Amino acid sequence: GAGVSQSPSNKVTEKGKDVELRCDPISGHTALYWYRQSLGQGLEFLIYFQGNSAPDKSGLPSDRFSAERTGGSVSTLTIQRTQQEDSAVYLCASSLSRGAGNTIYFGEGSWLTVV
Amino acid sequence: GENVEQHPSTLSVQEGDSAVIKCTYSDSASNYFPWYKQELGKRPQLIIDIRSNVGEKKDQRIAVTLNKTAKHFSLHITETQPEDSAVYFCAAMDSSYKLIFGSGTRLLVRP
Repeated sequence: GAGVSQSPSNKVTEKGKDVELRCDPISGHTALYWYRQSLGQGLEFLIYFQGNSAPDKSGLPSDRFSAERTGGSVSTLTIQRTQQEDSAVYLCASSLSRGAGNTIYFGEGSWLTVV
Repeated sequence: GENVEQHPSTLSVQEGDSAVIKCTYSDSASNYFPWYKQELGKRPQLIIDIRSNVGEKKDQRIAVTLNKTAKHFSLHITETQPEDSAVYFCAAMDSSYKLIFGSGTRLLVRP
């Protein structure tokens, strides 16, 4: 596609339910990033993939959060047993490769509200 | 790990004036420093970036400077216009390829 695509764009879920957020990176991009942005706040690093492997998972807030990437393309971020503090925009980004000078392009985000 | 501090958190300038946003980073191995602009409800978009082997880069009204010794970098916007109003984020890519963002600066350009 022309840009990074994320779905759903909006999700309202009940506390305790599991949610899956999907990211389709720009075609050919090998690096993929997930960030979380709470209302009016900065971008919190969650995880990044180079190909299908995630060299650094240190940003995941708890063991309720997991992410995978298959076929070097689509990635899914899963939040189990959602809590109200999980409410945020989850932003996905991709770049041609990891490393300096590779522009990182963001998707529009998935707005998650836990009620 | 890398830590990026950004100041000020809010900045109000008169149209036509200059705006300066400053960031510091902690990981001396960080080698890539992009700046993103985020309008309300929109995705962050890259406006300019600089690599660690360069001290300054300019693109029309926007410039970025990097001081590796002091581990700080700055964004300069000249001749500000109302459409420059947005939240600006600095970021640093550390030695493990994580891109860590500052907390953001809300810029308001008054007509």
